[in-house]
Amino acid sequence: DFQLTQSPSSLSAFVGDRVTITCQASQDISIYLNWYQQKPGKAPKLLISDASNLESGVPSRFSGSGSGTDFTFTISSLQPEDIATYYCQQYASLLRTFGGGTKVEIK
Amino acid sequence: EVQLVESGGGLAQPGRSLRLSCVASGFTFDNYAMHWVRQAPGKGLEWVAGISWNSGYIDYADSVKGRFTISRDNAKNSLYLQMSSLKTEDTALYYCVKDLSADNVWGQGTLVTVSS
Repeated sequence: DFQLTQSPSSLSAFVGDRVTITCQASQDISIYLNWYQQKPGKAPKLLISDASNLESGVPSRFSGSGSGTDFTFTISSLQPEDIATYYCQQYASLLRTFGGGTKVEIK
Repeated sequence: EVQLVESGGGLAQPGRSLRLSCVASGFTFDNYAMHWVRQAPGKGLEWVAGISWNSGYIDYADSVKGRFTISRDNAKNSLYLQMSSLKTEDTALYYCVKDLSADNVWGQGTLVTVSS
């Protein structure tokens, strides 16, 4: 199984700050990694696929990088509407797995 | 418009069974693997089960293996999750998800509550 370790579990930052979340896979998953944003009461929204591919309509302040076992998700300038929980998820096998999530708050 | 609509959730007693359904529209259902993902109240996302396009490959999370069965009927554009021997820790919102890879679509979920 491909386990994903996501950190931190929560963070608080100022509007305009750069925010970084990491996701580490237990085995090589190539670039088969998604990043999601989930707001309360809503289904997760796919932001980034294939580790770094920004989905259509997603603001360019969101980005992703990495391959193999180490991945990074970045919000270049945190906005109030970015308050949410973010998850990584691998699709290197039919047995998918999610990271534990990162709750992002505004200071 | 691509759409997934789940149904079948509700209240069940521990040890009982429940069957979830998901009807797909707006895409060629039998071209894609399908998955069930759940989210317990206040908790993170947990992948539950996945099934390949032709049902030839199926896998489960360890937490549900031996109790849950995923299946699909491509003629009916439908995905199912038969849940047996339910436990209180199975209480969650269950999402039906197309592909869960680089191109995925989520339903709005159906709530399963396991309680005596």
